[in-house]
Formats: sequence, C-alpha cells, structure tokens
Amino acid sequence: KNQVEQSPQSLIILEGKNCTLQCNYTVSPFSNLRWYKQDTGRGPVSLTIMTFSENTKSNGRYTATLDADTKQSSLHITASQLSDSASYICVVSPDSNYQLIWGAGTKLIIKP
Amino acid sequence: KAGVTQTPRYLIKTRGQQVTLSCSPISGHRSVSWYQQTPGQGLQFLFEYFSETQRNKGNFPGRFSGRQFSNSRSEMNVSTLELGDSALYLCASSLVVAYNEQFFGPGTRLTVL
Repeated sequence: KNQVEQSPQSLIILEGKNCTLQCNYTVSPFSNLRWYKQDTGRGPVSLTIMTFSENTKSNGRYTATLDADTKQSSLHITASQLSDSASYICVVSPDSNYQLIWGAGTKLIIKP
Repeated sequence: KAGVTQTPRYLIKTRGQQVTLSCSPISGHRSVSWYQQTPGQGLQFLFEYFSETQRNKGNFPGRFSGRQFSNSRSEMNVSTLELGDSALYLCASSLVVAYNEQFFGPGTRLTVL
C-alpha cells in the first residue's frame, strides 16, 4: 500500500535552533518527492521538489535530502525563525498517472 | 502572474443544504485538484480535473462532485451537507498534471451548523 509517514507529529524548538523533520515512504513507482509548508488556515506552499536522481535540494534555510534506496527524506531547517512555525508536509508522486500520496505533516512551533 | 484564487473564502451553511465552491487556476494551468482538510488532519484528495474531464478521484461519497470549464476554472459541489463536511477546502493548479508542481489557493473555510 502506498503510504507516506512523517515524524515527529509535532515539534517545539527555540528560535535560532536547527531542526530536522523526517519522511518515510512506501510508494512505488516513485517519481518525485515534495516538501510543503502550510501556515494555519492557508494553502500549502512548495519548498522543494526532488526526483529520484537528486539527493539534496535547498531553498534558503530549508534543505531537503532524499535517499531513494531507503525511501527516506528529511527536511532540515537552519537557524529557525518565528515565521517557520507551520505544518510541514511530505508528498510523494508515484507517477504522472497517479494521484499524489500526502503525509499527515509535522507541526513545528518555534518559541522565542 | 496572479495566483490561484478561491471563492468564497468563508462559508456557513446548515445541515442538508448544498454548497458550490469556485477555483480559478493560474493562467495557463490546465490541471485543477481539490482537497479537503479537517482540523488536525492531512490533506485528503477529492478529485483532479484536466481539460474538463475528471482524471482522478479520491474516496469521497457521491455527494461531492466537481466540474471544470473550458477556461480551466473549476467548481466543486457538496450536496446534503453534514456536520463532518466542515473543513478547509483547498484547490491546487498545475501546468498539465498534479505530478507537476502544484500551486495552492488560500482555501475556502466551510462551516456546517
């Protein structure tokens, strides 16, 4: 069964600290993996998209990694800011003909 | 380039009523997908439209339906509303398929009383 699991479910860190969010997937075939940031009550915003041949991609303070062999991805946030408080969602695309497989997200809270 | 727009932004209905939500994709985008997000839950896929045809459908009852017009604008309809339909309904557009990068609208917050 195609699944995307994210951990932790929620995370609280102090402003300025780094953190890493995890995404494990059992999706086949695999086409690409995306990370989205969703502020409360708003639509998700894309952070990164990686195909199976890419193992790292950065977007400012956000760096995503992908290990297609172990089917794991991580999102690393450097020097967190209060505005990073949001849910971070991992999404895997099996193929152009299939619907996307969405993770439940990690709720990140940055405290001053 | 204007982003994805959704109307209305907020809606309050009572049980048994029906509702129609609208989504205008980014200019040039032909794929529109709809999602339901309930509090604390992940996004649940409703359906995807491309060139006025439903291409993919999630596991929702037949009360949920949609359509896409020739200008790629899309509407979704929920009939016989239930309390559990209260949610944020998100629309996403992409160039050709949902496989491409998706851009989300701000959502419509539906409350069913």
